[in-house]
Amino acid sequence: DGGITQSPKYLFRKEGQNVTLSCEQNLNHDAMYWYRQDPGQGLRLIYYSQIVNDFQKGDIAEGYSVSREKKESFPLTVTSAQKNPTAFYLCASSFPQGTGGSYNQPQHFGDGTRLSIL
Amino acid sequence: AQSVAQPEDQVNVAEGNPLTVKCTYSVSGNPYLFWYVQYPNRGLQFLLKYITGDNLVKGSYGFEAEFNKSQTSFHLKKPSALVSDSALYFCAVREMSNQGGKLIFGQGTELSVKP
Repeated sequence: DGGITQSPKYLFRKEGQNVTLSCEQNLNHDAMYWYRQDPGQGLRLIYYSQIVNDFQKGDIAEGYSVSREKKESFPLTVTSAQKNPTAFYLCASSFPQGTGGSYNQPQHFGDGTRLSIL
Repeated sequence: AQSVAQPEDQVNVAEGNPLTVKCTYSVSGNPYLFWYVQYPNRGLQFLLKYITGDNLVKGSYGFEAEFNKSQTSFHLKKPSALVSDSALYFCAVREMSNQGGKLIFGQGTELSVKP
């Protein structure tokens, strides 16, 4: 079955450490997204990518980095510069949005990674 | 700028009763609206969307949503609630800008259905 796989499900970060969250999809989607979920705040966009080798900052990109070397993969690195990393991180994918694509396509989500500080 | 609001943090319903989860939106231009459901420690699952056309949109698991342009609302409804409907529900609107068509989410509404 097609879907989005996020790993690990739980992750712990030590002080000063960078950690990388994995996101892989086999839906043949061009666009991929990373969201951060905090209780009572909904989801906030960290980074997104509309196509391989290109990505853009979202609303809360500081302290995070991404790469998009393959269509299927969009890993997120939480750097030591992110002072409040404890959250639930969700990866999503969709067909292209906006120019050249369609705004009516829903995003499909993985099951998330819960990151905590040790 | 687009925005969406879910005025209720929690909704409590008895099993078998109808349920409504409220959502209001603010957009410039035509709205693209979505409802998602999230079960504990899981990702979001797409329920339904409104793009154009009929104001009553039918979706997954017996859910439907009513689009009301004059009230800028997109309330989620179900005629008869199940205990298994208990979850966190998110309304979202599509950002019509260069930000990749990102979704702007409400803060979520916790639905609790009691037997």
